[in-house]
Amino acid sequence: GENVEQHPSTLSVQEGDSAVIKCTYSDSASNYFPWYKQELGKRPQLIIDIRSNVGEKKDQRIAVTLNKTAKHFSLHITETQPEDSAVYFCAAPGFNKFYFGSGTKLNVKP
Amino acid sequence: EAQVTQNPRYLITVTGKKLTVTCSQNMNHEYMSWYRQDPGLGLRQIYYSMNVEVTDKGDVPEGYKVSRKEKRNFPLILESPSPNQTSLYFCASALRSMNTEAFFGQGTRLTVV
Repeated sequence: GENVEQHPSTLSVQEGDSAVIKCTYSDSASNYFPWYKQELGKRPQLIIDIRSNVGEKKDQRIAVTLNKTAKHFSLHITETQPEDSAVYFCAAPGFNKFYFGSGTKLNVKP
Repeated sequence: EAQVTQNPRYLITVTGKKLTVTCSQNMNHEYMSWYRQDPGLGLRQIYYSMNVEVTDKGDVPEGYKVSRKEKRNFPLILESPSPNQTSLYFCASALRSMNTEAFFGQGTRLTVV
């Protein structure tokens, strides 16, 4: 099955700085790569996703890049704000299943 | 409002006492799934369903059962709960498969003593 590894497990940045979270996957057939944000005590929610036919996607301060050759994709958050503090999960599909990374706890210090 | 609803939100039970966690979605999604979330392990898939009457095991199915008799409902059944099933559980649905956005329920915090 698919194996998704996510780094780092925790990340602390100063407000206004950028944050980058990286994931690697093993199944070269995977073609959809979403990122979910989970605020404390709440459910995960999709923040951005990318399909394998594009290399980068942006949505305001959030961007995702995909390198299919190297089998890794990254989440970039620019101009971080305290409300960005949360746990972020990457994910990749396997056969009818979905595999999540172990999560990155992002702390944005005011 | 489009949503996935789980009940109960919190549950404390004793070892061996059968329980059911309900999950319902109102988006006419074909794909539904259950996950457990444990510290440092992320979200691990327990069972999933591609459509009515079609269910299959995820990565951690031991000790759990599911059923999909109607498109909107996907209950999770623990026939004989054990303390190692203490966890935070999430139900999720997606339009056709997990190659589309997944919508999660509010979560169920289960404690087995």
